[in-house]
Amino acid sequence: DTGVSQNPRHKITKRGQNVTFRCDPISEHNRLYWYRQTLGQGPEFLTYFQNEAQLEKSRLLSDRFSAERPKGSFSTLEIQRTEQGDSAMYLCASSLGSSGSGETQYFGPGTRLLVL
Amino acid sequence: GENVEQHPSTLSVQEGDSAVIKCTYSDSASNYFPWYKQELGKRPQLIIDIRSNVGEKKDQRIAVTLNKTAKHFSLHITETQPEDSAVYFCAAVNTGFQKLVFGTGTRLLVSP
Repeated sequence: DTGVSQNPRHKITKRGQNVTFRCDPISEHNRLYWYRQTLGQGPEFLTYFQNEAQLEKSRLLSDRFSAERPKGSFSTLEIQRTEQGDSAMYLCASSLGSSGSGETQYFGPGTRLLVL
Repeated sequence: GENVEQHPSTLSVQEGDSAVIKCTYSDSASNYFPWYKQELGKRPQLIIDIRSNVGEKKDQRIAVTLNKTAKHFSLHITETQPEDSAVYFCAAVNTGFQKLVFGTGTRLLVSP
């Protein structure tokens, strides 16, 4: 499978614990995005990278959240001191970006987080 | 920032009927409008997209129309089939900012 992959697919944690998710984009894609989706809602943008540079962060991304893409390939999203409100599906997407083209974003299968 | 509204929230049709889902956006600078289909527990998958320099695009049973003046765009599915049943999301993006802003989704149910 050469699409976007995410690990783990499911994560159950207790409130206050830290969790880390990984996203592997399509290999030639230089842009990588994180979204969060709660039940019955559309995905909401969290942050995005062009190569290794984090270019935009949503106000949804509190200081408990941090994302990295150290070598411009895979990315990690860490949530510290998880809260029950963090329970959601965390989706990663990637695209082959060129300025002003409106490129297609391809989504991974997501990581479903449940905070008890 | 951009805001996307989507209607209806649910849509039930009989197999073979047409289905239309409508979205409006607020940012006149948005210039790329994809539609995603999401089946239960699965990833959103792009089904069609349109850029602001065209008014209509068609791919077999699926078509999208865009009215830039009114800032709305619509998804048309003809000859619906039970496997079309899913949640459909519209989105808008100002490519200067790259992020997709999604609508709230339409749950389409196609009954045999």
